[in-house]
Amino acid sequence: QAQLVESGGGVVQPGRSLRLSCAASGFAFGTFGMHWVRQAPGKGLEWVAFIWADGSHTNYADSVKGRFTISRDNSKNTLHLQMNSLRAEDTALYYCAGDPPSSGFAFDLWGQGTMVAVSS
Amino acid sequence: QSVLTQPPSASGTPGQRVTISCSGSSSNIGSNTVNWYQQLPGTAPKLLIYHNNQRPSGVPDRFSDSKSGTSASLAISGLQSEDEADYYCAAWDDSLKAVLFGEGTKLAVL
Repeated sequence: QAQLVESGGGVVQPGRSLRLSCAASGFAFGTFGMHWVRQAPGKGLEWVAFIWADGSHTNYADSVKGRFTISRDNSKNTLHLQMNSLRAEDTALYYCAGDPPSSGFAFDLWGQGTMVAVSS
Repeated sequence: QSVLTQPPSASGTPGQRVTISCSGSSSNIGSNTVNWYQQLPGTAPKLLIYHNNQRPSGVPDRFSDSKSGTSASLAISGLQSEDEADYYCAAWDDSLKAVLFGEGTKLAVL
């Protein structure tokens, strides 16, 4: 059974860093484009970042560009999000999501999310 | 960053047909597929419709979508109480090189 499990969330002060991880199992991780999507408390979904299946290309939302880095290790079926210079507005539940080949960015797989709270 | 425009709320009674609109531009909905997600309270989003009216396994055919130009719509027929949820549209934007989500529509089943 396909599964994504996020970890690494927590409470962090503004300006500090945090690294999120997403462990994948039960599917061909190395063939899926992978994304991070976040949801601030009581708000809608916001796409954060995308990495190609082979890790060769990445894309970011303007709100995180230059501060966040998405990466993956296909040998370990793991996705990461390095978050630097965190701001209060980065407070959200962070989901990792997978889109199968040729799906048109359809997020077929979702984790349960890991909460990040940026507060002094 | 731009978002796709959805009505904040929609409602219907059991058995009715409701539609939720999603408006974008030529660089997103106008040139790429629209995907729809359902988020039940307290849970992760779930893919509902993708790639021109395809439904993942387990999604009933009461859910369907359509697209015309730079707008798309999700239709739910035979409305049921368990359809009460938040619904989001999403599409890749060729200009922004980003996935855009709609603002979300909260559906109430009266």
